[in-house]
Order: sequence, then structure tokens, then C-alpha cells
Amino acid sequence: EAEVAQSPRYKITEKSQAVAFWCDPISGHATLYWYRQILGQGPELLVQFQDESVVDDSQLPKDRFSAERLKGVDSTLKIQPAELGDSAMYLCASSLGQAGGTTQYFGPGTRLLVL
Amino acid sequence: KNQVEQSPQSLIILEGKNCTLQCNYTVSPFSNLRWYKQDTGRGPVSLTIMTFSENTKSNRRYTATLDADTKQSSLHITASQLSDSASYICVVNRDDNNNDMRFGAGTRLTVKP
Repeated sequence: EAEVAQSPRYKITEKSQAVAFWCDPISGHATLYWYRQILGQGPELLVQFQDESVVDDSQLPKDRFSAERLKGVDSTLKIQPAELGDSAMYLCASSLGQAGGTTQYFGPGTRLLVL
Repeated sequence: KNQVEQSPQSLIILEGKNCTLQCNYTVSPFSNLRWYKQDTGRGPVSLTIMTFSENTKSNRRYTATLDADTKQSSLHITASQLSDSASYICVVNRDDNNNDMRFGAGTRLTVKP
């Protein structure tokens, strides 16, 4: 069964450093999402792409976070500079489209620890 | 204030027992409600999706109910197994697109032998 791939699975960095996460959605999925999940809480949407276009990035801290999906397939989420409060699980999800009944498939996540 | 509240925050049960997880929401408008299972260190996996007109839906040992009038949903797990140990997240979609989804904080279920 096709899965959403993410790498790395774990990342430890020091504050003020730059980090990048990669996501490869399920083939054919036009919609891609990046979520941040703090331990013990539900995921919160950071950015949503439809193909290569950003649909929603209203919750993305744009002073330090950036996301791109240049060819409408895989995507990169970057944090620069990282802060202590960025420690969290970063989840990528994809779906065939944006329709409300469309299932989102989540990747395994990248666990980030900022020291 | 989170518009999707889940209870209990955590739950420990013995293998073979049943349990019920609650989700109350104040999200409006409402399009659909999903229950996700999230194993430790993994991404969430969809269990069920319910629209406004659906009252109950089953998926193997999981049965979800929805009362759109009182804005409450429950997830009932029957004959629990050790592999059911996970976080269960309730997600409410406000519109017909996946553009406005509100996540609950989840219920952490531990099934002990």
C-alpha cells in the first residue's frame, strides 16, 4: 500500500540553527499538508498546498518557517532559525483533493528536538 | 479555546474490555467528523468519517456515533486488544473542502494484559 514518506524521522539541533524536513506524498495526491503536533496535543495545520500552490499558510510563522512544493510533488519545510519552542512532531499528509470527504493520509512524522 | 474537546484525556483498560471515548465540538458550520488512531511515533490513520446525516458507523471493533444536534460524537471500542493502545483524535471539518479542519487533543488509550 502506498504511503507518505518523510525524512528524517528524528532531528536534534541547537537553537538558531537551520533545519529542513522532506515529504513525498502518495503518488497522484494533489493536496499536501504540513502539520505541527506538540506532545499531548492534536496536530495544527501549518500549510496546505494544492499542486504547487499554497492554499492556506495562515498559521505558518513566516518569519522563520518556509515551505515549498516546487513541482507539485514532494515538499520541503524549513525552519531558520530554530527556537526551543519548535520542538515537536512535524507531520506531512496528502490527499487526492480538497473535498471534505477525501481522506488524508499521514506520514510517520519527523520528531524535532531543539536544544 | 479549542473547539473540539475530547475526554477522557487518558484511559487505561484491561485487554478484552470495552471502552468509549467522547468528542464534543462547538465547530460551526459542520461538514464531517473523523476519528483517527495515532500509534506512538507514527502519523494518524483514519478510522471513520461521519457526515451530518449519519448517526453511527462501524469499522471492525470500532463504532462511532454522531449526534449533530448536541454536537457530540463517541468512539466505542469493543473487546480491546493490546494493539489498540494509541491516541485517538477527533477531527471536525468545517466546510466541504479539507481547508478548515479542527483537531482535538486526543485521548491516550492504554490497553494492559
